[in-house]
Amino acid sequence: DGGITQSPKYLFRKEGQNVTLSCEQNLNHDAMYWYRQDPGQGLRLIYYSQIVNDFQKGDIAEGYSVSREKKESFPLTVTSAQKNPTAFYLCASRKGGQNTEAFFGQGTRLTVV
Amino acid sequence: AQTVTQSQPEMSVQEAETVTLSCTYDTSESDYYLFWYKQPPSRQMILVIRQEAYKQQNATENRFSVNFQKAAKSFSLKISDSQLGDAAMYFCAYRGGLNTGTASKLTFGTGTRLQVTL
Repeated sequence: DGGITQSPKYLFRKEGQNVTLSCEQNLNHDAMYWYRQDPGQGLRLIYYSQIVNDFQKGDIAEGYSVSREKKESFPLTVTSAQKNPTAFYLCASRKGGQNTEAFFGQGTRLTVV
Repeated sequence: AQTVTQSQPEMSVQEAETVTLSCTYDTSESDYYLFWYKQPPSRQMILVIRQEAYKQQNATENRFSVNFQKAAKSFSLKISDSQLGDAAMYFCAYRGGLNTGTASKLTFGTGTRLQVTL
C-alpha cells in the first residue's frame, strides 16, 4: 500500500547525541516536510524539500539538518545543538501542483534524557 | 508572514449535536488554500476538508462543512450530528497558491481539542 512511513515510533537518546529520524514515502510525491509538535503550539515547520537535492529551512530549523538524496526519503537529524529536542515529529509529503493535500506519517516521539 | 489563529483550545459537544470550531488567518496573498486536519489519539493527521480561496462556495464533506469568509479572513469548521469518533485535535492550516512565496509551506494553528460527550 502507498503511504508515508516514519520509523521508529518511539526513540530515546542521551543528551548530546545526534539522532536521525527516518521518513520514507512511496507515493511518488515531490515535496516532503518535517514538523515538530509540542503541546499547545500546534505544528511548526522545521525543513521542507520540493525536489531532490534541494531543501529549505522552515520556521524552527536551528539544531536540525536534513538531506534529500532520493525522492522517496527525507531523513531528519536532530543535532546536539537543538536545545530542547524532546518532542513529537511528523513527516509529510505532497504531490506537486496547485490543489494537492499533504499526507502525514504516524510520527516519531523523541525523548532525550 | 502568514499566521493562523485558533482561539478555542478546547471545545465540547454532545453526541448528535452540532459544533463550530473557529479559525482566523492573516495573509496578504490573494491565492491560497485552507485546510482542516483532524488528529485523533493515534496522532495520525487526517485531512477533513479543504477550501480554495478563489471559490465562493463553502466546501462540504458529509457531516463537515466550512464557513469561509474571505474578507474577514475567517474559516470555521462545522461538525453536524457529532459522533464519538469525532473526538480529536483539530488543526486549521494555510498554504499559499502556486505563484506565491508560500506555495510549499503549510502553516498550522495551535489546534482545538474537541470532546464529544454522551
